Amino acid sequence: DAKTTQPPSMDCAEGRAANLPCNHSTISGNEYVYWYRQIHSQGPQYIIHGLKNNETNEMASLIITEDRKSSTLILPHATLRDTAVYYCIVRVPSTGNQFYFGTGTSLTVIP
Amino acid sequence: DVKVTQSSRYLVKRTGEKVFLECVQDMDHENMFWYRQDPGLGLRLIYFSYDVKMKEKGDIPEGYSVSREKKERFSLILESASTNQTSMYLCASSPPGTSGRARYEQFFGPGTRLTVL
Repeated sequence: DAKTTQPPSMDCAEGRAANLPCNHSTISGNEYVYWYRQIHSQGPQYIIHGLKNNETNEMASLIITEDRKSSTLILPHATLRDTAVYYCIVRVPSTGNQFYFGTGTSLTVIP
Repeated sequence: DVKVTQSSRYLVKRTGEKVFLECVQDMDHENMFWYRQDPGLGLRLIYFSYDVKMKEKGDIPEGYSVSREKKERFSLILESASTNQTSMYLCASSPPGTSGRARYEQFFGPGTRLTVL
């Protein structure tokens, strides 16, 4: 059973914020939420991660709801190079730090 | 920079052939992983390894085996390739995980697109 659920595709206008949602309603207290993205013909790359507090880095912000059942990845000013598949992942420390990938959201940034 | 390399970007094999996919990482990472990626299914874990000669089944190990004789190398083996194993195969490596807030990142190779005819 999938640990995360994401919409299959989204569009965003260049320069606007892209908000990518993820549901992880069965997440446990010690499980982290990670976001990766995959640009065509490359392996997935790390964006950001969090446990229960909101997080921000140079690439994105991660907003996790108080009940931790969902999260949103925010790309504050989307560019054409942000067109990619974005994966929401639950990291499970108890099983050797396995990553459970969702099916991903294909984000298209439109000029 | 961490580098994870995979032996081939594209591979075409015939049904019944034995197929080896090789993965090498240069950061002395303990953990290595093999995933397959299919449209609409995301990435699914096939096998992973904590250390040399150690392996653990992931979510879809059937039809695959692995070998880790050296720390830097993790091989995925298809004993008798079948058409339903046509897929993109991704290798990843990572340092040991921590239970704390520290970033735990898996580093991915570019992938091998395998076609079984």
